[in-house]
Amino acid sequence: ETGVTQTPRHLVMGMTNKKSLKCEQHLGHNAMYWYKQSAKKPLELMFVYSLEERVENNSVPSRFSPECPNSSHLFLHLHTLQPEDSALYLCASSPSRGALYGYTFGSGTRLTVV
Amino acid sequence: GQQVMQIPQYQHVQEGEDFTTYCNSSTTLSNIQWYKQRPGGHPVFLIQLVKSGEVKKQKRLTFQFGEAKKNSSLHITATQTTDVGTYFCAAVFTGNQFYFGTGTSLTVIP
Repeated sequence: ETGVTQTPRHLVMGMTNKKSLKCEQHLGHNAMYWYKQSAKKPLELMFVYSLEERVENNSVPSRFSPECPNSSHLFLHLHTLQPEDSALYLCASSPSRGALYGYTFGSGTRLTVV
Repeated sequence: GQQVMQIPQYQHVQEGEDFTTYCNSSTTLSNIQWYKQRPGGHPVFLIQLVKSGEVKKQKRLTFQFGEAKKNSSLHITATQTTDVGTYFCAAVFTGNQFYFGTGTSLTVIP
C-alpha cells in the first residue's frame, strides 16, 4: 500500500459509457494529480488540485472531468471516450503543490476503451 | 514546452553488470527527481537532487546532478534481477514546472 488508493484497478468501457475513477489518499497531502501513461510516451499531467481547488488543466478534452470534493479524494469522470484514451491513469499526491517533494502514486487504473 | 531527454530508451544487461541512465535538459533545472516503475506497477519516488554537483547514494544506486544543473544520471552497480523496471527522471524547472522524462526500461538477464 502506497497511501494512495485507486479504484477500480481495471476498467473496460464502451465509447458511449460513463464511468468514474476514484483516488483516495491517506497521507494528509494537500495536492493531488491525475496523470495519463500511454505506451512509449512520457507521463502526461492532466489535472492538478491544491487544497481542493483545480489549479491546472493541461488542455485535456472535456470528455475527462475531474472532481475533488475534499483534500483526500479525487475523481475522474469519463464519458464518450475514444479508443486512443486507453491507457494507465495514475493518481498522485504530494504534501503541497509543486515539486519540492516527491510524488506518491497510486497503483493506477488500466482503462481500455472498446 | 520544456523538454527532458532521457537516454537510453532501453537497456539490456547481464546480471552483475552496471547500468546508467541519463537525463538531459537544455535549460537549467531547479531540482530533479528519480522514480522507478516495476513492470505492471506504478512510479515510486526514489530521490530528489537539488544542489549543483550533488551526489547521493542508495545502496547500489548512485544519483548525480550536473554542475550546471542541466543533467543528471542514475548509476546502478552490479545489477540484480530486482532492478528490472523503468527508471524515470522528473525535471523541475523554474516556476515549479515539472516534467517526466520518457524513461529507460532496464532488463536484467539472469
